[in-house]
Amino acid sequence: DIQMTQSPSSLSASLGDRVTITCRASRGIGDSLAWYQQKPGEVPKVLIYAASTLHPGVPSRFRGSGSGTDFTLTISSLQPEDFATYYCQKYGSAPQTFGQGTKVEIK
Amino acid sequence: EVQLVESGGDLVQPGGSLTLSCAASGFNIGVNYMTWVRQAPGKGLEWVSVMYADGSRYYADSVKGRFTISRDNSKNTLYLEMNSLRVEDTAIYYCARDGPSSISYYVAYFWGQGTLVTVSS
Repeated sequence: DIQMTQSPSSLSASLGDRVTITCRASRGIGDSLAWYQQKPGEVPKVLIYAASTLHPGVPSRFRGSGSGTDFTLTISSLQPEDFATYYCQKYGSAPQTFGQGTKVEIK
Repeated sequence: EVQLVESGGDLVQPGGSLTLSCAASGFNIGVNYMTWVRQAPGKGLEWVSVMYADGSRYYADSVKGRFTISRDNSKNTLYLEMNSLRVEDTAIYYCARDGPSSISYYVAYFWGQGTLVTVSS
């Protein structure tokens, strides 16, 4: 089975900072990669799919890139509402493994 | 409007059984990819099971042989039958559906609010 490794597991950043989260697949998955955001006590929400397609309504400061085995989620200028945990997920064929998550905290 | 409402979560003893339901509205579950995802307290998301539109089903290794995903098209409801429950199955269980366009097929696009399963003696 394909494993998804996300890094870092947590990070501290200030408002306005550029933040980068990486996700690595143990084998190539093309562009079948989604990113989710989850705030405490809330249901996860999809941000990006097909590695780089922004879900409708998601601010343009979020950007997804990559293909094959290496993927990146970038937040260009961190806003107060962006403090949350972010997960990558390989989708399409099963198993549809999630990464371990990256908690973005206020510095 | 797509809506997913999970139910059936409860406190159950180790070794026990439980069946979760996910009532769908706004679409026909028989033509969509449907999945279960769980989240243990304070932990990350874990993919549990999937049923594709063609009826094929797959499971995470951690639940294979113990959990069964199914659907009732007449009730527009997805189920997760859970047997031989373990303490480590304690989690919020979410059902999700894929997106409306080909680029979002097989993505957990729409989510329910989740139902809590607690396995404890």
